[in-house]
Amino acid sequence: EAQVTQNPRYLITVTGKKLTVTCSQNMNHEYMSWYRQDPGLGLRQIYYSMNVEVTDKGDVPEGYKVSRKEKRNFPLILESPSPNQTSLYFCASSRGQLRSSYNEQFFGPGTRLTVL
Amino acid sequence: KNQVEQSPQSLIILEGKNCTLQCNYTVSPFSNLRWYKQDTGRGPVSLTIMTFSENTKSNGRYTATLDADTKQSSLHITASQLSDSASYICVVSETGANNLFFGTGTRLTVIP
Repeated sequence: EAQVTQNPRYLITVTGKKLTVTCSQNMNHEYMSWYRQDPGLGLRQIYYSMNVEVTDKGDVPEGYKVSRKEKRNFPLILESPSPNQTSLYFCASSRGQLRSSYNEQFFGPGTRLTVL
Repeated sequence: KNQVEQSPQSLIILEGKNCTLQCNYTVSPFSNLRWYKQDTGRGPVSLTIMTFSENTKSNGRYTATLDADTKQSSLHITASQLSDSASYICVVSETGANNLFFGTGTRLTVIP
């Protein structure tokens, strides 16, 4: 089954404790993104990757890191989490860039992160 | 400033009724407009994708329209079902850039 998976689905942590949220897709997609979703603000892009070893900042990259060593995986790293990073996080993938209408974007199930 | 605004913020309708959600945007140059359905606690799922030259696209009971001149789109849901209860998000992308502009969504509740 074609899908985007994220782990963990729920995470409660404390300020400053490094964490990684994994994202994997099995569709051989080139383009992958991370978003955060907060009430009243909608989805905001954190980072995106157009292919292996190619990553770029989205709208809200501060406090986050990503890597794209393999095509299928795109982990999100919080080196020193803070309470303002408490949010619902989504990973997404598509065959190519979203300015093309041929590229449908598939989202993962989400990771609810709470930073105390 | 590139923006996407959706209305209403929330909507409650009776099962079996129709409804229409609105999306106005100022994104330019326009590439495509997407509607997503997001069930509570789950990731968004694509409903329709429309380009400049398309003014209507359907996906089952969902029909999206696009007026590129007035920069408006609507999502019409026919014969609503309880499972249509969700947030509906409008997303617009720019030509030649990698920018996506998200609306904050319309929360639809269908009641029996």
